[in-house]
This record gives sequence, structure tokens and C-alpha cells, in this order.
Amino acid sequence: QVQLQESGPGPVKPSQTLSLTCTVSGGSISSGSYYWSWIRQPAGKGLEWIGRIYTSGSTNYKSSLESRVTISLDTSKNQFSLKLTSVTAADTAVYYCARSSGDGYNFPQHWGQGTLVTVSS
Amino acid sequence: QAVLTQPSSLSASPGASASLTCTLRSGINVNAYRIYWYQQKPGSPPQFLLKYRSDSHKQQGSGVPSRFSGSTDASANAGLLLISGLLSEDEADYYCMIWHSSAWVFGGGTKLTVL
Repeated sequence: QVQLQESGPGPVKPSQTLSLTCTVSGGSISSGSYYWSWIRQPAGKGLEWIGRIYTSGSTNYKSSLESRVTISLDTSKNQFSLKLTSVTAADTAVYYCARSSGDGYNFPQHWGQGTLVTVSS
Repeated sequence: QAVLTQPSSLSASPGASASLTCTLRSGINVNAYRIYWYQQKPGSPPQFLLKYRSDSHKQQGSGVPSRFSGSTDASANAGLLLISGLLSEDEADYYCMIWHSSAWVFGGGTKLTVL
């Protein structure tokens, strides 16, 4: 059973870059037909999909975030990462990483526990 | 107007049935989409419940009780999550989701209270 674990350096100051890593266990990030997504949730609010990367390295991003987002794979470490530039307080949220179903429908099926990122000066 | 609209809250009694709606924006036809449903309890990530497009195109999540089912209301342009025989453990936030314009889009979520 695949497991995902988010990690990051802690609080981020406004205008800086938020960087998170998702470590995958129970399967290789470079094998199979999977999409690896980032999704976030501000406290007390709903879910927002940020973007995803395919095993091949191709990406899709939410249009309103596309100018600030980069998702990449690190196959040597079996990880994928999120970089979000020019952050503001509105980027404060729990960030989840997720793996798709692999059945052709490619919806986020397996989720990490999430990590809280606070943007504050 | 949001792509997906869900009522913010719903209350129902134990043992009763609940119908959670997910209304698609005008111009987006519910019959053209698979609607995915997730359950989220406090402090936990969302859990996939089921996806539904039609009775011949549906999938239950692994381990999800048959008390949870999907449907659509074409007249309301809405997807429905139906929960029968409500238990106290069904109290949670429920989110719908679709793939639209090359992105996953979530509804705002419905907080279901069982009391």
C-alpha cells in the first residue's frame, strides 16, 4: 500500500518561496501510470487542487496559481516537490500530497496526512 | 459563479437518510461528468468514497459501506451523495469533485451533522 508523507522547512515569510516535499513509500514514483498531486486546505475552509505531475514529468496546474507553482519529481529519492513563489498570508494552509488511482480515471486516491504551512512575518 | 456548489451544512438524525447535493454551474452538464465524493473528518485527510456518472459507470471506494451511494438529478444539474441508515460516525465534511478544464475542481464542502 502506497504511503505519502509531506515535509517542509516550517514557517515562510511573505514574498518568499514555499517549498514542500512528498516522500513516497510502498512503490516507485517513476513506475506505473500515476499522477502525483498537491492539494491545500486553509483552516476551516475547503479543498483546493494546486497541480499534478505525471510519472513522465508532464504537469498540470490550477490556472490561477500557474504563474507561481512548480511541481517536480526526484526519482532518486522517490519524492516529488512543490514550490510556490511570492507567498502571502492567503497561502497559509494544510498542504496535502496525493497519488492518483492508476485505473485510468486518475483521481487523487491516496493522500498524505498533510502539513501545515504558515505564511507570516 | 463557482463550478461546483454545495450547501455548507446539513443535519439529519441517526438512522435516517441524507442527500448531499453538488450543483454544477450553468453550462456544465452533470451528465457529462464523473462526480467524485470524499469524506473528511477533523484532523484527517479526505478519504475517497465513490465516483458516479451513471448506474453503469460508478465505483465504490475500497471498504466504503453500501450505505453510501451516488446519483444525479439532471433537472437540478446536480450530483448527489446518498447516505442511508446514518450513524454518528458519518458526521464529517463531504466534498464533491470533477475534472474540468484540465484541473480538479472541488465543491466548497458540506458539513453533515448527525444528531
